[in-house]
Amino acid sequence: KQEVTQIPAALSVPEGENLVLNCSFTDSAIYNLQWFRQDPGKGLTSLLLIQSSQREQTSGRLNASLDKSSGRSTLYIAASQPGDSATYLCAVGSGSARQLTFGSGTQLTVLP
Amino acid sequence: DAGITQSPRYKITETGRQVTLMCHQTWSHSYMFWYRQDLGHGLRLIYYSAAADITDKGEVPDGYVVSRSKTENFPLTLESATRSQTSVYFCASSAGTRNTDTQYFGPGTRLTVL
Repeated sequence: KQEVTQIPAALSVPEGENLVLNCSFTDSAIYNLQWFRQDPGKGLTSLLLIQSSQREQTSGRLNASLDKSSGRSTLYIAASQPGDSATYLCAVGSGSARQLTFGSGTQLTVLP
Repeated sequence: DAGITQSPRYKITETGRQVTLMCHQTWSHSYMFWYRQDLGHGLRLIYYSAAADITDKGEVPDGYVVSRSKTENFPLTLESATRSQTSVYFCASSAGTRNTDTQYFGPGTRLTVL
């Protein structure tokens, strides 16, 4: 059974810092890995999707990497802003429908 | 561009009652999914569907029933609600083809079973 772990569970940084969120998974037989953002009481917003054959994806200040063989992914956020405060979820897609298995998330607080 | 919508957004019901949560997407995506989100468990897959009339169980299907008679709709029914089914339910969809299998999530339904 696939298990996804995110470390740290919570992170607080001052505005402007670069930061890295970590995600690990136990079964490397995945189709893709997706990073989401969730604001309190809201739904999930897709940030980046990395196919299993890719090593990284970038969108604006966000960069996600994938090392399938070691079962790890990182989400790098450059020049953090208070508006980046949210919970970040990592999910791996597997199975015929690329159904997702989620980590428990990292709650990020960026202090002004 | 409505995207993916869920109704109701909030629901309070009593133990033993039947409840149906609705999910509608306007993209004609092939794949649709139901997840529940609970403190301490994160998001877990309940059921998914690859196309109209094709559904399959996820990690936590017990107590739930799904149907998909039309591509755009994927209702989730709790046949006899229990307190353990108090949760936030998210519907998602994806095109399901390589390079377009990003899952897009609805706003969620917060269900309380008393």
